[in-house]
Amino acid sequence: QVQLVESGGGLVKPGESLRLSCAASGFAFGDYYMTWIRQAPGRGLEWVAHISKTSAAIYYGDSVKGRFSISRDNAKNSLYLQMNSLRVDDTAVYYCVRDTHGYSGYGDFWGQGTLVTVSS
Amino acid sequence: EIVLTQSPATLSLSPGERATLSCRASQSVGRYLGWYQQKPGQSPRLLICDVSNRAPGIPARFSGSGSGTDFTLTISSLEPEDFAVYYCQHRSNWPPYTFGQGTKLEIK
Repeated sequence: QVQLVESGGGLVKPGESLRLSCAASGFAFGDYYMTWIRQAPGRGLEWVAHISKTSAAIYYGDSVKGRFSISRDNAKNSLYLQMNSLRVDDTAVYYCVRDTHGYSGYGDFWGQGTLVTVSS
Repeated sequence: EIVLTQSPATLSLSPGERATLSCRASQSVGRYLGWYQQKPGQSPRLLICDVSNRAPGIPARFSGSGSGTDFTLTISSLEPEDFAVYYCQHRSNWPPYTFGQGTKLEIK
């Protein structure tokens, strides 16, 4: 079955960096666009970053542009999010999300999320 | 960036009643509008793609309608497991594919 398992979250100070990973299994990872979506505690969903199957097309949300970098390794069935210059308002659960085949942009499978806390 | 505004913020209904949730876009998204359900402590679940196409395994009581800037998610007869938070999301033109702020459907 499809599984997406995030890791790498934790407590960091403002200005520090963190790298999230997502291990995918149960499907042909290289055939799907992937997305990172986050949710601050008690808040709604925020679209963060999106990467095409071959990494040729990459997009970011306005609040993370220039600070975050999405990448993937299809040979390792893995998705990554490098987060630099972290701010308090980056505190959130970060979800690794598989794009729906045929409806790119929607997420049909979500990981359980990894919590990133930015606090001094 | 396209802004999606959902209404109402909270909807209080009883099981068996009909629920109507709204999502309005700041500019036209055509028919590129989807819906998710999220229960406490769980990841969101995709319900509907492109206005009215139910995702696999989604019951027929969930339906969607609309186009352009105004969209509706309808739950024809509420089951106890339907009480949750619902989000709309667009996939129009280029990213970011923003979300609405959510509607909480609670038991009356």
